[in-house]
Amino acid sequence: GEDVEQSLFLSVREGDSSVINCTYTDSSSTYLYWYKQEPGAGLQLLTYIFSNMDMKQDQRLTVLLNKKDKHLSLRIADTQTGDSAIYFCAESINDYKLSFGAGTTVTVRA
Amino acid sequence: GAGVSQSPSNKVTEKGKDVELRCDPISGHTALYWYRQRLGQGLEFLIYFQGNSAPDKSGLPSDRFSAERTGESVSTLTIQRTQQEDSAVYLCASSLLGETAHSPLHFGNGTRLTVT
Repeated sequence: GEDVEQSLFLSVREGDSSVINCTYTDSSSTYLYWYKQEPGAGLQLLTYIFSNMDMKQDQRLTVLLNKKDKHLSLRIADTQTGDSAIYFCAESINDYKLSFGAGTTVTVRA
Repeated sequence: GAGVSQSPSNKVTEKGKDVELRCDPISGHTALYWYRQRLGQGLEFLIYFQGNSAPDKSGLPSDRFSAERTGESVSTLTIQRTQQEDSAVYLCASSLLGETAHSPLHFGNGTRLTVT
């Protein structure tokens, strides 16, 4: 089936690390994604990871993939106020279709 | 350059009326997608265009929903006889090719539809 789950809310203090978790169900997913949605804006691709990788790092972002447990996480180091947004986890269903989670609202407090 | 443009940004309509939502993709992008975002839920796939044809319409919720694309450019999503459960944000995305990872989706800001 196509079911991506993630926690709905995360509050983090400025300068701390944020970790957003996601579980997915389709073991045949080739790619897994993290998208960011700022208020009033469309979704923006942050990063993605190929299913044969365990980890991907891109500046302040670290993606960890546990394929056995179908668990994906996004770590944001040194979280800033500009990181406040909704973060969506998504898995590829086929060559063109993605299945998205409900999104995690991250609030960064001073 | 210009991103994906959607219009209107907000639409309030009465139950039973028809609505048309428009999407202008990034120039040159062959693939175009419509998703629906209901409050507190993930994005729901509606339809995928490759060029002007729609190889996958499986996400359209009912026969009240239809979409077309012309000139490998603009797409219109039409909802006939709107119902209150149609209230949602309708997101359009485009990509250079149809293959997701090597051709990331670029999303518009969405049209917020409210059916009263």
